[in-house]
Amino acid sequence: GDSVTQMEGPVTLSEEAFLTINCTYTATGYPSLFWYVQYPGEGLQLLLKATKADDKGSNKGFEATYRKETTSFHLEKGSVQVSDSAVYFCALSYNYGGSQGNLIFGKGTKLSVKP
Amino acid sequence: ETGVTQSPTHLIKTRGQQVTLRCSSQSGHNTVSWYQQALGQGPQFIFQYYREEENGRGNFPPRFSGLQFPNYSSELNVNALELDDSALYLCASSFVGGTEAFFGQGTRLTVV
Repeated sequence: GDSVTQMEGPVTLSEEAFLTINCTYTATGYPSLFWYVQYPGEGLQLLLKATKADDKGSNKGFEATYRKETTSFHLEKGSVQVSDSAVYFCALSYNYGGSQGNLIFGKGTKLSVKP
Repeated sequence: ETGVTQSPTHLIKTRGQQVTLRCSSQSGHNTVSWYQQALGQGPQFIFQYYREEENGRGNFPPRFSGLQFPNYSSELNVNALELDDSALYLCASSFVGGTEAFFGQGTRLTVV
């Protein structure tokens, strides 16, 4: 079945450091890929998405490129801030007749950014 | 602000009891999905409702059931609670033709 694998956390960085969180997927078809972020005590917020191969999603300085050849969707940010401290989830879903199906999530990667 | 609201925010139940969790979808959204997020894990899909009917289900037993109402609000019911049901339950709403789901802040259920 379909699945998502993320790098184990926690990841601890100093402010202004470069961030990479690895995500690979196994899919039977051609899913859309997502990164969600969860701040302490809150639900999930969509960070960025890509719907087809070679698409790049970007938001708030974060980027991820849909790589079909390596089945990857790694999250990157050039300079992290303390406010980026959160848990990041990679996910996939299929589009059925124009609507998004259920999301399949990775286990999440906790990021802590120190001043 | 996503506009998806869940109630209650926290709940403690005893093993064997039944629980009902509620979700109010974002305005204009007619599809609602429920997810279970165990501590330290990613959310797991429970089921989805569209036009008041179940429209897909994950690997959860029948004691997990749901309802969607004409105003697109939704309930998740869990019977015969087990200790392993302790988790954060997330509701997400979307609309037909949309490619993004909007999540509520979740209900933290503790079964003792």
